[in-house]
Amino acid sequence: NAGVTQTPKFQVLKTGQSMTLQCAQDMNHEYMSWYRQDPGMGLRLIHYSVGAGITDQGEVPNGYNVSRSTTEDFPLRLLSAAPSQTSVYFCASTSGGGGNQPQHFGDGTRLSIL
Amino acid sequence: EDKVVQSPLSLVVHEGDTVTLNCSYEVTNFRSLLWYKQEKKAPTFLFMLTSSGIEKKSGRLSSILDKKELFSILNITATQTGDSAIYLCAVEKQGGSEKLVFGKGTKLTVNP
Repeated sequence: NAGVTQTPKFQVLKTGQSMTLQCAQDMNHEYMSWYRQDPGMGLRLIHYSVGAGITDQGEVPNGYNVSRSTTEDFPLRLLSAAPSQTSVYFCASTSGGGGNQPQHFGDGTRLSIL
Repeated sequence: EDKVVQSPLSLVVHEGDTVTLNCSYEVTNFRSLLWYKQEKKAPTFLFMLTSSGIEKKSGRLSSILDKKELFSILNITATQTGDSAIYLCAVEKQGGSEKLVFGKGTKLTVNP
Protein backbone atom coordinates (compact mmCIF):
# COMPACT_ATOMS: atom_id res chain seq x y z
CA ASN A 1 0.00 0.00 0.00
CA ALA A 2 1.33 3.42 -0.94
CA GLY A 3 -0.66 5.22 1.78
CA VAL A 4 0.05 8.97 1.80
CA THR A 5 2.63 10.09 -0.77
CA GLN A 6 4.26 13.50 -0.69
CA THR A 7 6.45 15.06 -3.35
CA PRO A 8 9.05 16.46 -3.48
CA LYS A 9 10.97 15.23 -0.44
CA PHE A 10 13.29 18.25 -0.43
CA GLN A 11 13.09 21.68 -2.04
CA VAL A 12 15.07 24.89 -1.87
CA LEU A 13 13.40 28.09 -3.01
CA LYS A 14 14.33 31.72 -3.23
CA THR A 15 12.23 34.34 -1.49
CA GLY A 16 9.28 35.31 -3.68
CA GLN A 17 9.16 32.10 -5.71
CA SER A 18 6.03 30.01 -5.83
CA MET A 19 5.64 26.25 -5.67
CA THR A 20 3.19 23.46 -5.01
CA LEU A 21 3.70 20.63 -2.57
CA GLN A 22 1.91 17.53 -3.73
CA CYS A 23 -0.01 15.07 -1.55
CA ALA A 24 -1.85 11.98 -2.75
CA GLN A 25 -3.51 9.14 -0.87
CA ASP A 26 -4.86 5.86 -2.18
CA MET A 27 -7.01 4.87 0.80
CA ASN A 28 -10.17 6.69 -0.34
CA HIS A 29 -10.00 8.90 2.75
CA GLU A 30 -12.37 11.84 2.91
CA TYR A 31 -10.33 13.91 5.38
CA MET A 32 -6.95 15.38 4.44
CA SER A 33 -4.79 17.93 6.22
CA TRP A 34 -1.53 19.83 5.91
CA TYR A 35 0.71 20.47 8.91
CA ARG A 36 4.03 22.21 9.32
CA GLN A 37 6.60 21.15 11.88
CA ASP A 38 9.15 23.60 13.23
CA PRO A 39 11.79 22.94 15.90
CA GLY A 40 10.28 23.22 19.36
CA MET A 41 6.79 23.94 17.97
CA GLY A 42 5.23 20.55 17.34
CA LEU A 43 2.92 20.15 14.34
CA ARG A 44 0.59 22.99 13.46
CA LEU A 45 -2.42 22.72 11.16
CA ILE A 46 -2.27 24.84 8.00
CA HIS A 47 -5.36 23.83 6.00
CA TYR A 48 -7.67 20.85 5.94
CA SER A 49 -10.38 19.32 3.79
CA VAL A 50 -13.38 17.20 4.73
CA GLY A 51 -14.03 16.06 1.17
CA ALA A 52 -13.62 16.93 -2.49
CA GLY A 53 -14.49 20.57 -3.08
CA ILE A 54 -14.39 21.52 0.61
CA THR A 55 -11.44 23.17 2.32
CA ASP A 56 -10.96 25.28 5.43
CA GLN A 57 -8.24 27.10 7.32
CA GLY A 58 -6.32 25.73 10.24
CA GLU A 59 -4.15 27.43 12.82
CA VAL A 60 -1.49 28.94 10.50
CA PRO A 61 -3.02 29.43 7.01
CA ASN A 62 -1.42 32.72 5.95
CA GLY A 63 0.75 32.45 2.84
CA TYR A 64 -0.72 29.11 1.76
CA ASN A 65 -3.53 28.04 -0.57
CA VAL A 66 -5.15 24.65 -1.04
CA SER A 67 -7.71 23.03 -3.28
CA ARG A 68 -9.36 19.60 -3.32
CA SER A 69 -10.63 18.73 -6.77
CA THR A 70 -10.44 14.97 -6.20
CA THR A 71 -10.62 12.69 -3.16
CA GLU A 72 -7.06 11.49 -3.77
CA ASP A 73 -5.13 14.75 -4.08
CA PHE A 74 -4.65 17.73 -1.78
CA PRO A 75 -1.91 20.09 -3.04
CA LEU A 76 -0.52 22.93 -0.94
CA ARG A 77 0.55 26.09 -2.76
CA LEU A 78 3.00 28.71 -1.60
CA LEU A 79 2.23 31.81 -3.65
CA SER A 80 5.26 33.92 -2.70
CA ALA A 81 7.72 32.03 -0.52
CA ALA A 82 9.13 33.72 2.58
CA PRO A 83 11.99 32.58 4.86
CA SER A 84 9.44 32.11 7.67
CA GLN A 85 7.96 29.26 5.64
CA THR A 86 11.14 27.21 5.97
CA SER A 87 9.82 24.09 7.64
CA VAL A 88 8.98 20.42 7.26
CA TYR A 89 5.51 19.93 5.80
CA PHE A 90 3.39 16.86 6.46
CA CYS A 91 0.22 15.78 4.76
CA ALA A 92 -2.20 13.49 6.58
CA SER A 93 -5.41 11.67 5.80
CA THR A 94 -8.10 9.70 7.61
CA SER A 95 -11.43 8.14 6.87
CA GLY A 96 -12.66 9.96 9.96
CA GLY A 97 -16.36 10.48 10.38
CA GLY A 98 -16.34 9.40 14.00
CA GLY A 99 -15.03 5.94 13.16
CA ASN A 100 -12.08 6.25 15.53
CA GLN A 101 -9.59 6.05 12.72
CA PRO A 102 -6.20 7.73 13.25
CA GLN A 103 -4.65 10.11 10.77
CA HIS A 104 -1.93 8.63 8.57
CA PHE A 105 1.00 10.84 7.66
CA GLY A 106 3.19 11.11 4.59
CA ASP A 107 6.99 11.19 4.89
CA GLY A 108 7.10 14.98 4.67
CA THR A 109 8.62 17.64 2.46
CA ARG A 110 11.60 19.56 3.83
CA LEU A 111 11.41 23.08 2.42
CA SER A 112 14.10 25.76 2.71
CA ILE A 113 13.47 29.35 1.65
CA LEU A 114 16.60 31.45 1.07
CA GLU B 1 -7.35 28.60 23.10
CA ASP B 2 -6.71 24.87 22.67
CA LYS B 3 -3.57 23.65 24.36
CA VAL B 4 -1.69 20.33 24.57
CA VAL B 5 1.36 20.24 26.85
CA GLN B 6 3.88 17.42 26.92
CA SER B 7 6.50 16.79 29.55
CA PRO B 8 9.34 16.35 29.76
CA LEU B 9 10.44 17.91 26.47
CA SER B 10 13.59 15.81 26.48
CA LEU B 11 14.63 12.65 28.27
CA VAL B 12 17.83 10.56 28.22
CA VAL B 13 17.78 7.04 29.69
CA HIS B 14 19.76 3.80 29.55
CA GLU B 15 18.61 0.65 27.87
CA GLY B 16 16.35 -1.34 30.16
CA ASP B 17 14.95 1.68 31.96
CA THR B 18 11.21 2.35 32.19
CA VAL B 19 9.98 5.77 31.11
CA THR B 20 6.73 7.66 31.52
CA LEU B 21 5.80 10.44 29.14
CA ASN B 22 3.10 12.92 30.08
CA CYS B 23 0.47 14.79 28.09
CA SER B 24 -2.05 17.24 29.51
CA TYR B 25 -4.66 19.07 27.48
CA GLU B 26 -7.18 21.88 27.49
CA VAL B 27 -9.19 21.44 24.31
CA THR B 28 -12.80 22.24 23.55
CA ASN B 29 -14.91 19.51 21.96
CA PHE B 30 -12.55 16.66 22.85
CA ARG B 31 -13.04 13.47 20.86
CA SER B 32 -9.88 11.41 21.38
CA LEU B 33 -6.21 11.56 22.30
CA LEU B 34 -3.55 10.05 20.08
CA TRP B 35 0.08 9.13 20.56
CA TYR B 36 2.51 9.05 17.64
CA LYS B 37 6.18 8.04 17.38
CA GLN B 38 8.35 10.08 15.04
CA GLU B 39 11.78 8.91 14.02
CA LYS B 40 13.31 10.41 10.91
CA LYS B 41 10.21 10.89 8.81
CA ALA B 42 6.46 10.53 9.23
CA PRO B 43 4.80 10.28 12.62
CA THR B 44 3.59 6.71 13.03
CA PHE B 45 0.47 5.92 14.98
CA LEU B 46 0.75 4.23 18.39
CA PHE B 47 -2.52 4.60 20.29
CA MET B 48 -5.90 6.27 20.16
CA LEU B 49 -7.63 6.79 23.50
CA THR B 50 -11.25 7.78 23.86
CA SER B 51 -12.35 6.42 27.24
CA SER B 52 -10.95 7.11 30.70
CA GLY B 53 -9.18 4.40 32.63
CA ILE B 54 -8.86 1.84 29.86
CA GLU B 55 -5.24 0.94 29.26
CA LYS B 56 -4.10 0.26 25.75
CA LYS B 57 -1.04 -1.94 25.27
CA SER B 58 1.24 -2.84 22.42
CA GLY B 59 4.26 -4.86 23.42
CA ARG B 60 6.35 -2.79 25.83
CA LEU B 61 4.27 0.34 25.26
CA SER B 62 1.09 1.20 27.10
CA SER B 63 -1.06 4.28 27.51
CA ILE B 64 -4.01 5.45 29.54
CA LEU B 65 -6.31 8.47 29.53
CA ASP B 66 -7.86 10.40 32.43
CA LYS B 67 -10.67 12.59 31.05
CA LYS B 68 -11.48 14.04 34.46
CA GLU B 69 -7.97 15.35 35.08
CA LEU B 70 -7.34 15.94 31.35
CA PHE B 71 -4.12 14.02 30.89
CA SER B 72 -2.63 10.90 29.43
CA ILE B 73 0.58 8.97 30.01
CA LEU B 74 2.63 6.80 27.71
CA ASN B 75 4.76 4.13 29.40
CA ILE B 76 7.64 2.31 27.80
CA THR B 77 9.15 -0.56 29.77
CA ALA B 78 12.54 -2.21 29.20
CA THR B 79 13.55 0.54 26.77
CA GLN B 80 15.70 -0.27 23.74
CA THR B 81 17.83 1.99 21.53
CA GLY B 82 15.17 1.60 18.85
CA ASP B 83 12.74 3.47 21.10
CA SER B 84 14.78 6.64 20.58
CA ALA B 85 12.39 9.05 18.85
CA ILE B 86 10.15 12.03 19.35
CA TYR B 87 6.84 11.02 20.91
CA LEU B 88 3.94 13.25 19.93
CA CYS B 89 0.65 13.64 21.75
CA ALA B 90 -2.33 15.03 19.85
CA VAL B 91 -5.96 15.70 20.66
CA GLU B 92 -8.62 15.18 18.04
CA LYS B 93 -11.55 17.59 18.16
CA GLN B 94 -15.16 16.78 17.47
CA GLY B 95 -17.13 18.70 14.91
CA GLY B 96 -16.52 16.81 11.71
CA SER B 97 -13.16 18.33 10.81
CA GLU B 98 -10.86 15.65 12.25
CA LYS B 99 -8.48 18.40 13.31
CA LEU B 100 -5.54 17.47 15.52
CA VAL B 101 -3.96 19.76 18.11
CA PHE B 102 -0.41 18.63 18.83
CA GLY B 103 1.89 19.05 21.77
CA LYS B 104 5.53 19.95 21.17
CA GLY B 105 6.68 16.39 21.64
CA THR B 106 9.05 14.56 23.99
CA LYS B 107 12.44 13.66 22.57
CA LEU B 108 13.50 10.33 24.05
CA THR B 109 17.08 9.14 23.75
CA VAL B 110 17.90 5.61 24.86
CA ASN B 111 21.61 4.98 25.30
CA PRO B 112 23.12 1.48 25.20
